[in-house]
Amino acid sequence: QKEVEQNSGPLSVPEGAIASLNCTYSDRGSQSFFWYRQYSGKSPELIMFIYSNGDKEDGRFTAQLNKASQYVSLLIRDSQPSDSATYLCAVKVERTALIFGKGTTLSVSS
Amino acid sequence: KAGVTQTPRYLIKTRGQQVTLSCSPISGHRSVSWYQQTPGQGLQFLFEYFSETQRNKGNFPGRFSGRQFSNSRSEMNVSTLELGDSALYLCASSPATGTNSPLHFGNGTRLTVT
Repeated sequence: QKEVEQNSGPLSVPEGAIASLNCTYSDRGSQSFFWYRQYSGKSPELIMFIYSNGDKEDGRFTAQLNKASQYVSLLIRDSQPSDSATYLCAVKVERTALIFGKGTTLSVSS
Repeated sequence: KAGVTQTPRYLIKTRGQQVTLSCSPISGHRSVSWYQQTPGQGLQFLFEYFSETQRNKGNFPGRFSGRQFSNSRSEMNVSTLELGDSALYLCASSPATGTNSPLHFGNGTRLTVT
């Protein structure tokens, strides 16, 4: 069974720090990796996605993928209180559904 | 461009009843997926439709069913409701079913079964 694992947290960081969120997956055939943010009482919103090994940067966010280690991470630089949310990692294998981890709760204190 | 629209936003039903949830995808998106979200289990995949065909199905009992119409709008139905069906039901759309198509979620339907 395909699994996506995330530390549930909470991960607490001070404002301005770097938050590092991690995710591991079980299926070596996984091809696409997505990070979603979900505020309490809201639906998930896409932050970014990555397909190739290495880093992908988008503003304050950097996704890192290591397929050999089956590991994907999200770095948030200059963390703000508004970044406090649950971050969901999702993994897709071709012709199968997008599978989500249970999420990591991030708390940024001012 | 309008986002994914789900109706209704809230539903309260009693055990044994059935319910139908509706989803209108982003214009031009042909793939619709449904997820159940609960505090304990997180986001669990229900089904995925593309061009009116079910492409994938999650590990849910047959009481959960869905369909997609020619205009890409989708509905899901839950029959013989149980207390454990209380959850947030999320619909998401994408342009296609490939690995490079991110899902865009609607605001969800909050179902409470009493």
